[in-house]
Amino acid sequence: DAGITQSPRHKVTETGTPVTLRCHQTENHRYMYWYRQDPGHGLRLIHYSYGVKDTDKGEVSDGYSVSRSKTEDFLLTLESATSSQTSVYFCAISPGQGKDAGNTIYFGEGSWLTVV
Amino acid sequence: AQSVTQPDIHITVSEGASLELRCNYSYGATPYLFWYVQSPGQGLQLLLKYFSGDTLVQGIKGFEAEFKRSQSSFNLRKPSVHWSDAAEYFCAVGLNRDDKIIFGKGTRLHILP
Repeated sequence: DAGITQSPRHKVTETGTPVTLRCHQTENHRYMYWYRQDPGHGLRLIHYSYGVKDTDKGEVSDGYSVSRSKTEDFLLTLESATSSQTSVYFCAISPGQGKDAGNTIYFGEGSWLTVV
Repeated sequence: AQSVTQPDIHITVSEGASLELRCNYSYGATPYLFWYVQSPGQGLQLLLKYFSGDTLVQGIKGFEAEFKRSQSSFNLRKPSVHWSDAAEYFCAVGLNRDDKIIFGKGTRLHILP
């Protein structure tokens, strides 16, 4: 299994509060991703990072920000949580280019966030 | 824009029967193609991937997938399913080795005893 740790694994928070989810990897992979998973929508990319301090938006980035100050950590922040952000959040990593690696991504175990 | 379509939201098969899960993509060039499986409450596990070469790809757990360029498809197959195969399956595509990966909405597989 890829060395990916997400924290917290479960969180309940109130509308309007800030929330930060952390993804930590021990693989030294270049690429890191945040996805959200919702019934009927599959997995949707929120933000991704292609290096330290290099990030880009995915398809559902509104209301989210990210930061990557070290290779191993990728933080997802909900500045002011809303009920529509109740979801399961998955962090993923990828080694990027390589003969056998391609851009295969490996997933963490998920973080269940409930906004009440 | 690239897209991935999994036409079947749910599929039910009997244990021991064969399985085929469909995946179609929309992109001008040949993308990188993946199948992932997710058991309830778990993260996603890579089953197999196609980058180039032989269009029939073997994966873990007895699964295989065939890339058909003419049909823009990458269907997942298994000759004989087991009850433990009940899960949700996701097809995914990537444009190139540095780009993000887009997922289909998933197909939930149910197994009848």
